[in-house]
Amino acid sequence: DAGVIQSPRHEVTEMGQEVTLRCKPISGHNSLFWYRQTMMRGLELLIYFNNNVPIDDSGMPEDRFSAKMPNASFSTLKIQPSEPRDSAVYFCASSLSGSSGNTIYFGEGSWLTVV
Amino acid sequence: AQSVTQPDIHITVSEGASLELRCNYSYGATPYLFWYVQSPGQGLQLLLKYFSGDTLVQGIKGFEAEFKRSQSSFNLRKPSVHWSDAAEYFCAVGAGDSGGYQKVTFGTGTKLQVIP
Repeated sequence: DAGVIQSPRHEVTEMGQEVTLRCKPISGHNSLFWYRQTMMRGLELLIYFNNNVPIDDSGMPEDRFSAKMPNASFSTLKIQPSEPRDSAVYFCASSLSGSSGNTIYFGEGSWLTVV
Repeated sequence: AQSVTQPDIHITVSEGASLELRCNYSYGATPYLFWYVQSPGQGLQLLLKYFSGDTLVQGIKGFEAEFKRSQSSFNLRKPSVHWSDAAEYFCAVGAGDSGGYQKVTFGTGTKLQVIP
């Protein structure tokens, strides 16, 4: 089975530009998570969806960040405008959630550098 | 809200030696506990998980972890470390939120270095 697929794997962009990160969750999974990983702050949950509906976006750092899940097989995380402090690895993850305790499966990550 | 503490930022062990990585959690009820491993440039891979039942959990790659409620701990162990185990290890705790959905909180990670 294919795992969680993220694109792009690496992106370098200039400050002020719009960045869009994409994610395809594991087929059949109904929960999707976006995490950000940095040296300073570790692994942070930005937002998670259940059945395509955003459940908790309290981790989204500011209004420059937005996430959508138009259908069960696709999600985007957008940063507009991007800033150098947004440089991080962004992970998408998914799980089959019907009750607590289900395993979260991670993608390989999108490595973002904003210069 | 739940939280996880991994007190050791970096650990170095010799190949063949035993390993124990510490994890302490905070949560009012019985949590769901996970250990993940991250190799450089990779995503996180699940090593093992505890939901209920036997408090000693076996995982992949020869790892095991023991849930100790009295100590609020879920330490990861391996009897003999291999050079390929060098990676970063994350402990995580999952708990249901008010909507019944699972929210997983990760620790800050422990980097493992293995020396010949």
